[in-house]
Amino acid sequence: SQKIEQNSEALNIQEGKTATLTCNYTNYSPAYLQWYRQDPGRGPVFLLLIRENEKEKRKERLKVTFDTTLKQSLFHITASQPADSATYLCAPVGSGNTGKLIFGQGTTLQVKP
Amino acid sequence: GAGVSQSPSNKVTEKGKDVELRCDPISGHTALYWYRQSLGQGLEFLIYFQGNSAPDKSGLPSDRFSAERTGGSVSTLTIQRTQQEDSAVYLCASSPSRQGAYGYTFGSGTRLTVV
Repeated sequence: SQKIEQNSEALNIQEGKTATLTCNYTNYSPAYLQWYRQDPGRGPVFLLLIRENEKEKRKERLKVTFDTTLKQSLFHITASQPADSATYLCAPVGSGNTGKLIFGQGTTLQVKP
Repeated sequence: GAGVSQSPSNKVTEKGKDVELRCDPISGHTALYWYRQSLGQGLEFLIYFQGNSAPDKSGLPSDRFSAERTGGSVSTLTIQRTQQEDSAVYLCASSPSRQGAYGYTFGSGTRLTVV
């Protein structure tokens, strides 16, 4: 069955450093991979989407990579700030998929000032 | 509207009662999704609507759960004979496309507590 793995342990980093979050998937051939941010008590917020033919995508301080051989996506936040503290979710979408996103469990990032 | 609107934001109900949760998607978004999130857990897919196609109900946990989408817009998720394990945040999302090439816009959710 399809499986998505994100590090369940919280990631604690110092302000100004780069945070790197990992998303691994198995039994998938995603055409796209989406990343979301979720704050406590709120719904997830869409951040970035990367396509299978893209190696890297950037948006301001965010960078996403997509390695279809390793079946892995990395999500980087450079020059991290305490306001970046949240849970980050990945969601691979298979080609021909109806669009039904299955989300990973998420990794909680804590940026300390 | 500018975003996905869900109501009520909070609902406390007695075990055995029926509840209805409402979702107003972004105007023009053809795809609408319901997810459930229990405390400290990930998002669990429930049901998906796309235009006039038959909904994908594969995530509904039991026949006590049902959903409809009227006129391709507003959706209602109904839980009959609620149980304590139904307590969770119910999230609705919409998207302009079914193919996953666009991000979903989520509402703030309905927090359901069954006592």
